[in-house]
Amino acid sequence: AQTVTQSQPEMSVQEAETVTLSCTYDTSESNYYLFWYKQPPSRQMILVIRQEAYKQQNATENRFSVNFQKAAKSFSLKISDSQLGDTAMYFCAFTPPRGSNYKLTFGKGTLLTVNP
Amino acid sequence: EAEVAQSPRYKITEKSQAVAFWCDPISGHATLYWYRQILGQGPELLVQFQDESVVDDSQLPKDRFSAERLKGVDSTLKIQPAELGDSAMYLCASSLRLAGITDTQYFGPGTRLTVL
Repeated sequence: AQTVTQSQPEMSVQEAETVTLSCTYDTSESNYYLFWYKQPPSRQMILVIRQEAYKQQNATENRFSVNFQKAAKSFSLKISDSQLGDTAMYFCAFTPPRGSNYKLTFGKGTLLTVNP
Repeated sequence: EAEVAQSPRYKITEKSQAVAFWCDPISGHATLYWYRQILGQGPELLVQFQDESVVDDSQLPKDRFSAERLKGVDSTLKIQPAELGDSAMYLCASSLRLAGITDTQYFGPGTRLTVL
């Protein structure tokens, strides 16, 4: 069974600074997909960024980027120029390749607070 | 912008009562997911539909939970009888499901269930 571990239950950062959220996972698969989802307070979960395991290049979406280390099974999220609107719960998620119905397995989340 | 709709947003019920949640996915999305999110944890998949068929209900407590998607569009999740441990956020998500490709899952706002 696949597992996803987020070792930082809570983090805080000052506005405009950079913060990195950690995620590790365990799988025997060679190809899979990794995601970071954001869940703001009382709002719905939205996709921040996704990474295909077969791609060596790290994904980037504006201020959000990942550091994907396949051998170490690590998938961290870096948020640059943090904004107050980045305050949210962040979930790392994993899905194996076809044949498993692309079931998402989530970590327990990291609560990020951006301070003014 | 199309969104996943869920109702009700909040539900308070007493132990042993029946409760039902409704989800309307984004138009054209063939795959629908129901997740349960206990406070402080990541979502866990309860059931996944591809059109009107269940493709994964391995984590659904079938003695008390049922789910249907009769016409392959909207879906209902029912709990009968509700237990104290069912208090959680119930999230619905949908994805387009292009064959062989992992699609982004789009989440609804959720239904917060409190069982007294």
